[in-house]
Amino acid sequence: DGGITQSPKYLFRKEGQNVTLSCEQNLNHDAMYWYRQDPGQGLRLIYYSQIVNDFQKGDIAEGYSVSREKKESFPLTVTSAQKNPTAFYLCASSPGTSNTGELFFGEGSRLTVL
Amino acid sequence: GENVEQHPSTLSVQEGDSAVIKCTYSDSASNYFPWYKQELGKRPQLIIDIRSNVGEKKDQRIAVTLNKTAKHFSLHITETQPEDSAVYFCAASDRAAGNKLTFGGGTRVLVKP
Repeated sequence: DGGITQSPKYLFRKEGQNVTLSCEQNLNHDAMYWYRQDPGQGLRLIYYSQIVNDFQKGDIAEGYSVSREKKESFPLTVTSAQKNPTAFYLCASSPGTSNTGELFFGEGSRLTVL
Repeated sequence: GENVEQHPSTLSVQEGDSAVIKCTYSDSASNYFPWYKQELGKRPQLIIDIRSNVGEKKDQRIAVTLNKTAKHFSLHITETQPEDSAVYFCAASDRAAGNKLTFGGGTRVLVKP
């Protein structure tokens, strides 16, 4: 069953701790993305990667880091430097720049900082 | 970079009426405009999209129009049904920038039976 899987679904973190959100896809897509969703602010791009071992900052990259060591995986680390990390995080993938552009989203990870 | 504004932020309609959501964008190089629907607790899913070489596109009860000169595009839902209740997001991208979508703030649509 093809798709994009995020884990964990819910995560609680104490202030000052780093946390890593997992994103795995078996769609053989080249591009992967991380978005942050806050009420009333739509989806804001954190980082994206178009090929393995390469990634670019999005609009709100400060306090986040990513890696793309495998085509299937694009984990996001929310570091202690992120001032307001409580949010809903969505991972997405797309076939690549030569395709329709449709994003396929995971079910999201809700991070709460206590 | 691209900036996408979406209005209204909330929209309440009676079942059977039409709903219209409008978006404006800032980057004249943008050439791909998708709309995503996010039902409560679920992931966003593409419902319709339009490219800059087309002025209008329809798919059953939904349609999207694009005015490149004015840099705005709209989603039209006719004969609304309760299952149309969701948050809708517009987005814009410049294909040359690698499908990096910039989203609007979202519109929460409530269809009242």
